[in-house]
Amino acid sequence: QLQLQESGPGLVKPSETLSLTCTVSGGSISSSSYYWGWIRQPPGKGLEWIGNIYYSGNTYYNPSLRSRVTISVDTSKNQFSLKLTSVTAADTAVYYCARQLGSGTYYNQWFDPWGQGTLVSVSS
Amino acid sequence: DIQMTQSPSSLSASVGDRVTVSCRASQSISSYLNWYQQKPGKAPKLLIYAASSLQSGVPSRFSGSGSGTDFTLTISSLQPEDFATFYCQQSYNNPWTFGQGTKVEIK
Repeated sequence: QLQLQESGPGLVKPSETLSLTCTVSGGSISSSSYYWGWIRQPPGKGLEWIGNIYYSGNTYYNPSLRSRVTISVDTSKNQFSLKLTSVTAADTAVYYCARQLGSGTYYNQWFDPWGQGTLVSVSS
Repeated sequence: DIQMTQSPSSLSASVGDRVTVSCRASQSISSYLNWYQQKPGKAPKLLIYAASSLQSGVPSRFSGSGSGTDFTLTISSLQPEDFATFYCQQSYNNPWTFGQGTKVEIK
C-alpha cells in the first residue's frame, strides 16, 4: 500500500525558505505512470495546488507561486522535495504531498493517496 | 486560471437524506473533474475521478455526474461518517484548481 509522509520544520521565519520533503513508501517514485505533487491549505481555508514533478525531473508549477517554488526529486531515496523562498505569513498552511495519477496523459489526473500533511507556520 | 465554484458552501442534512453538491467551472473542462472528502484534521480523500468514476473502496452511495461546466456529487443516503467538507478539482488545465468546499453538517 503506497504511503506518503511529509517532513520538515514546523516554523519558518519571514523572508526565509520553507523546505519540506515527502518520503514515498510501498512503491517506487520512479514509476513512469505518476507525477508527484504538493498542495497546501491555509488554516480554515481551501486547497491550493503548488506544483508537481515527474521522476525524470520534469516539473509544473502554479503560476501564482512559480517565482518562489522549486520541486525536486531524489529517486535514490524515493523522495521529492519542496522549497518555497521568501515566505510570509500568507504561506502559513498545512502542506500535503500526494501522488498524481490518471488517464495516461498529463491532463485528466487526480490525487491519491495523500500524505497526512504538515503544518508550517511563518512567524518571527 | 479555471475558477471552480461550489454550491452551497454549507448544508445541514439528516442521516438517510439524499444530498447533492454542485460544482461549476468557469469554462468547459470536459469530464476532467474530481471530488474529495476531507474530515477535520485529516488529508483529503479521493471519492470520484473523471467526473463519474468511483474510487476503489468508496461506498456506492457516492456518485458523480456532469460534463462541460456543471458537475454534481450525490450522496444517496447520508451516513454519520459522511459529515465532512467536499471539494471538487479540475485537471483540464494548469494550474489545477479546487472549489472552495462544501461543508456537510448534521441537522
